[in-house]
Amino acid sequence: QVQLQQSGPGLVKPSQTLSLTCAISGDSVSNNRVIWNWIRQSPSRGLEWLGRTYYRSKWYLESAVSVRGRVSVNPDTSKNQFSLQMNSVTPEDTAIYYCARGGYGSTALLFDVWGPGTLVTVSS
Amino acid sequence: EMVLTQSPGTLSLSPGERATLSCRASQSFINSHLAWYQQKLGQAPRLLIYGVSSRATGIPDRFSGYGSGTDFTLTISRLEPEDFAVYYCQQYGDTPPGTFGQGTKLEIK
Repeated sequence: QVQLQQSGPGLVKPSQTLSLTCAISGDSVSNNRVIWNWIRQSPSRGLEWLGRTYYRSKWYLESAVSVRGRVSVNPDTSKNQFSLQMNSVTPEDTAIYYCARGGYGSTALLFDVWGPGTLVTVSS
Repeated sequence: EMVLTQSPGTLSLSPGERATLSCRASQSFINSHLAWYQQKLGQAPRLLIYGVSSRATGIPDRFSGYGSGTDFTLTISRLEPEDFAVYYCQQYGDTPPGTFGQGTKLEIK
């Protein structure tokens, strides 16, 4: 079965860059029938989609309007994983960050497999 | 942008009872791209229902979904102890952001 394993620091200082990685087992980051996503959850913002990457003859990288310019989602085919980088973080970026798999076409934003989540606190 | 409003905020029931959770959309759905997720404390959300009424793999048949337009419902026919959790509805498709509702907490009475 498909499993996602997350890694990365749980504490980031304000103005610095948040970096998380999601390692995939049981599927491929290059699978052209799925999409790899980052989602966060906080009491103030609820569940919020952040960005995604997917392969359709070439790589596509997309991010949410609310965080555009600060977020990048990138694949790493050599390690079968994908990453989230969010720069210029503030305490408002404190949240649990999840990686998740979406489907194809109209199910692109239907998340059937989730990572366990990483609590990231932004504090000095 | 679509807004999904879930009610009630908290539902207190006993095991064996029937649970009815509501999800109301700010705009009418032109398709059936409505999903429900269950989230237990300290865990990631788990996909329960997609396409308004289709159960995801491994989801027991006591979970059912229905609705159309702006009003959608998740029903749990006979609550088991493991069903007490937070439930979220979500609009999905191919275009972000894939809006989630704010959640309904189902707690033991």
